[in-house]
Amino acid sequence: GQQLNQSPQSMFIQEGEDVSMNCTSSSIFNTWLWYKQEPGEGPVLLIALYKAGELTSNGRLTAQFGITRKDSFLNISASIPSDVGIYFCAGQPQAGTALIFGKGTTLSVSS
Amino acid sequence: DAGITQSPRHKVTETGTPVTLRCHQTENHRYMYWYRQDPGHGLRLIHYSYGVKDTDKGEVSDGYSVSRSKTEDFLLTLESATSSQTSVYFCAISPHLAGGANVLTFGAGSRLTVL
Repeated sequence: GQQLNQSPQSMFIQEGEDVSMNCTSSSIFNTWLWYKQEPGEGPVLLIALYKAGELTSNGRLTAQFGITRKDSFLNISASIPSDVGIYFCAGQPQAGTALIFGKGTTLSVSS
Repeated sequence: DAGITQSPRHKVTETGTPVTLRCHQTENHRYMYWYRQDPGHGLRLIHYSYGVKDTDKGEVSDGYSVSRSKTEDFLLTLESATSSQTSVYFCAISPHLAGGANVLTFGAGSRLTVL
């Protein structure tokens, strides 16, 4: 089946640093979504991308839908302790299909 | 999360016993999903529903069954729980499967431990 390769698996950074993570696939996706999960809670949507090349920001977060439609990245600028959590990418292969999730990137931020 | 309630939030059971997890939504969304989350595997789809009495299998459906008798409720049943089903289970909803409406909203999760 289709898979999303999310990297890195984990990151340990200092407060104030910028963060970059990405998702890649051998298949084309129609939609890319980025979620954040905090301990003991369900994932919460951060950014949704619907067109190839689309670049969208949400505060300190910026995500892009790759031109080839096979990848997406998420950047976090000037990280703060509350950025800690697991970040998931998710993609929809084609209209009418369920989302596929990456395995997540665990972010730790030290102050 | 507003609009989605999972119960129970925590459950410990023994191998071989039946278990039912409940997801209740107040958003009147058509689509409901059950995912499991395990370290190293991320979120994997178990089953989903696209309407009352309409369900389909996901990636990891073996050992699980689901039922949806009302728009607002989606039940996940483990007929005979095994230790490999120890996991955190998340319910999610979406209004549609297409375009901008295919954005999942997740519940808070149900942690199941099978001894």
